[in-house]
Amino acid sequence: QQQVKQSPQSLIVQKGGISIINCAYENTAFDYFPWYQQFPGKGPALLIAIRPDVSEKKEGRFTISFNKSAKQFSLHIMDSQPGDSATYFCAARVGNFNKFYFGSGTKLNVKP
Amino acid sequence: NAGVTQTPKFQVLKTGQSMTLQCAQDMNHNSMYWYRQDPGMGLRLIYYSASEGTTDKGEVPNGYNVSRLNKREFSLRLESAAPSQTSVYFCASRSQSSNQPQHFGDGTRLSIL
Repeated sequence: QQQVKQSPQSLIVQKGGISIINCAYENTAFDYFPWYQQFPGKGPALLIAIRPDVSEKKEGRFTISFNKSAKQFSLHIMDSQPGDSATYFCAARVGNFNKFYFGSGTKLNVKP
Repeated sequence: NAGVTQTPKFQVLKTGQSMTLQCAQDMNHNSMYWYRQDPGMGLRLIYYSASEGTTDKGEVPNGYNVSRLNKREFSLRLESAAPSQTSVYFCASRSQSSNQPQHFGDGTRLSIL
């Protein structure tokens, strides 16, 4: 049973559009929610992260929205560019145990 | 800056063979992790080591063993490889300071025939 559920599995967006990826969880012990970006042949790299006491965090074109009551969080990529084409993973950490659980990934294709 | 280095990058094994995947980090991180990545399943935690001298099971530990050799190195061993262990394996490390991210290596692509 997957601890973090991610959707959609794949996403096609036109250049300049908004890409939205959603994640949901049940475990209220999660205390840190990072998003990772992965290019083919490479390991995941941290993109942006949020704590549950914050409802939104923005870094450049990337924004995390967090809804603690609904146990959902999402990644928004504004003005999507072809260079953003990659696989994106959401994750959640169980703080006391230093363990991370990952979503199943979303493959984003931004068309020129 | 090497970060997290994994060796080998590619390997093909026959069923029943054994193999050790190596991982080393140069960031003085306390915590290290082994994940496997399979299509449509994201990254699943095999084992992790919160600090030197400790190891704990993750979500999918069966068929694997680990050794935290020292603070820098964390190895993953397949004693008797099975086709179901065909996957891409990632090692990661992390500082134990609050809200620090994991840093990943570029993976080992392992095929078991």
